[in-house]
Amino acid sequence: AQTVTQSQPEMSVQEAETVTLSCTYDTSESDYYLFWYKQPPSRQMILVIRQEAYKQQNATENRFSVNFQKAAKSFSLKISDSQLGDAAMYFCAYKISNAGNMLTFGGGTRLMVKP
Amino acid sequence: GAGVSQSPRYKVAKRGQDVALRCDPISGHVSLFWYQQALGQGPEFLTYFQNEAQLDKSGLPSDRFFAERPEGSVSTLKIQRTQQEDSAVYLCASSPYSGRAYEQYFGPGTRLTVT
Repeated sequence: AQTVTQSQPEMSVQEAETVTLSCTYDTSESDYYLFWYKQPPSRQMILVIRQEAYKQQNATENRFSVNFQKAAKSFSLKISDSQLGDAAMYFCAYKISNAGNMLTFGGGTRLMVKP
Repeated sequence: GAGVSQSPRYKVAKRGQDVALRCDPISGHVSLFWYQQALGQGPEFLTYFQNEAQLDKSGLPSDRFFAERPEGSVSTLKIQRTQQEDSAVYLCASSPYSGRAYEQYFGPGTRLTVT
């Protein structure tokens, strides 16, 4: 079975600074996707960034980037120039590449942004 | 276009009551997923539909949980004889079958409280 672990229950960052959220996963599959989702208090899960396992290049979306280490099964999220609106729960998630497969989520990291 | 919608947003049930939670996926999305998110935890998979066919129900915690999608669009998650441990947020997500099939679009969830 696949597992996703987020070892940081809470993180705090000063506005405009950079923060890194950690995620490790365990799988025997070779073809999969990794995701970071943001869940604000409204509860709506919002996709922040995704990474295909076959791609060596780390994904980047504006202020969000990942450090994907396939051999180490590590997938961290870096948020640069943190903004107050970044405060939320962040979930790392894994999915086998077939269309019908579900997401497996980590336990989440609560990010607080200090003004 | 409209996103995934869920109703009701909040539901309070007395222990032993039956409840029905509704999900309206994005129009044309073939895949539909239900997840259960306990307080302070990441979502956990319950069941998956491809059109009207329920292809995976391995995450349903007991036979009190039942889901259907009779016309391949709207889905209902029914919980019979609710128990306190059923208290959680129930998230619905939909996904196209091709193209961006890796991405799941989430609704805002239904928060169920069993008293």
